[in-house]
Amino acid sequence: QKEVEQNSGPLSVPEGAIASLNCTYSDRGSQSFFWYRQYSGKSPELIMSIYSNGDKEDGRFTAQLNKASQYVSLLIRDSQPSDSATYLCAVKASGTYKYIFGTGTRLKVLA
Amino acid sequence: NAGVTQTPKFQVLKTGQSMTLQCAQDMNHNSMYWYRQDPGMGLRLIYYSASEGTTDKGEVPNGYNVSRLNKREFSLRLESAAPSQTSVYFCASSGTREAFFGQGTRLTVV
Repeated sequence: QKEVEQNSGPLSVPEGAIASLNCTYSDRGSQSFFWYRQYSGKSPELIMSIYSNGDKEDGRFTAQLNKASQYVSLLIRDSQPSDSATYLCAVKASGTYKYIFGTGTRLKVLA
Repeated sequence: NAGVTQTPKFQVLKTGQSMTLQCAQDMNHNSMYWYRQDPGMGLRLIYYSASEGTTDKGEVPNGYNVSRLNKREFSLRLESAAPSQTSVYFCASSGTREAFFGQGTRLTVV
């Protein structure tokens, strides 16, 4: 069973701090990695995708990928209360069209 | 900019009733998916369609059927609803990379 693991949280950070969210995956052949944000009662919204080792920055968000360690992370700089949500890590399984999701990390940004 | 559209948004069924959840995308994506989301369980894949004319089982297909009607539309059918199928259902579509989700259907089976 190919798996994606996340700490369920909640992860609480003060406003303005850096939030660090982590994800590990079991399928060593995976090539595509995604972070989704899901507000309570809403659908998942894509915020970052990353395909090669290293960092990818988009505004306040940075995704980091380490394929050797099978580890993906998301950093949110200058965290805002509006960032409070559940963050889902997803991996596109090698050789298939399927996206495998972690159970999500709940982030709470305290004003 | 509709993206992925699901109908209905809410539904209450009695045990044993049948219904079809509809999904349509306007992004010209080849692949479409049905997921269910339950507290503490994350998103679990029910069925997917890699391209028009093909469908495959996901992680939790029992009790469901799907139809890829055309490139735009992918429906999910519950033939005889059970309380265990109470969940939030999401349809998604993808091209070669990212997947995009519809707004979800909250289904309660009583």
